[in-house]
Amino acid sequence: ELKVEQNPLFLSMQEGKNYTIYCNYSTTSDRLYWYRQDPGKSLESLFVLLSNGAVKQEGRLMASLDTKARLSTLHITAAVHDLSATYFCAVDKDSGYALNFGKGTSLLVTP
Amino acid sequence: EAEVAQSPRYKITEKSQAVAFWCDPISGHATLYWYRQILGQGPELLVQFQDESVVDDSQLPKDRFSAERLKGVDSTLKIQPAELGDSAMYLCASSLGAHNEQFFGPGTRLTVL
Repeated sequence: ELKVEQNPLFLSMQEGKNYTIYCNYSTTSDRLYWYRQDPGKSLESLFVLLSNGAVKQEGRLMASLDTKARLSTLHITAAVHDLSATYFCAVDKDSGYALNFGKGTSLLVTP
Repeated sequence: EAEVAQSPRYKITEKSQAVAFWCDPISGHATLYWYRQILGQGPELLVQFQDESVVDDSQLPKDRFSAERLKGVDSTLKIQPAELGDSAMYLCASSLGAHNEQFFGPGTRLTVL
């Protein structure tokens, strides 16, 4: 069974600070996705990481993938309040193509 | 910009009633997914279609849930009878094909009383 674990599950950080969210998964996969979800809303795609060593950046967020370590990171630089949301990582299921999601990291950025 | 459409956005029903959700994927997307997201958790796959065929419904509670995609375009997910534990957000997603990026609709928030 494919397991996807995120940590931390809850994160409160001050504006201007840096932090990293970690996503570990239990099976080989070359595809990892990061999504953002605002309260009561659907999922917004942030990054699609398709190979070992992939690094993508958008604004204050940067995601990377290490398929050998089965680890992805989402790094937040100089956090701002607008980044407050829940962030999910997801990996393709081992037996098919649907996504297995982590439990999410609930991020709160405070002044 | 093309989007996945879902309706209704919100549904309140009583236990033992029947409910149905509709999803219209992005035009040309052959793969359609229904996920259920319980509050505070990540989405979990209920059923995956490739065109009109079911690819994976291993996590679909088939005694009460059914899903169809008759013409390989839009899809309906039905629950009969609804139970209290079915209260959740039901998300539809579509992709060009398997192994392609999935795009999510706005979801249907179901509350069972």
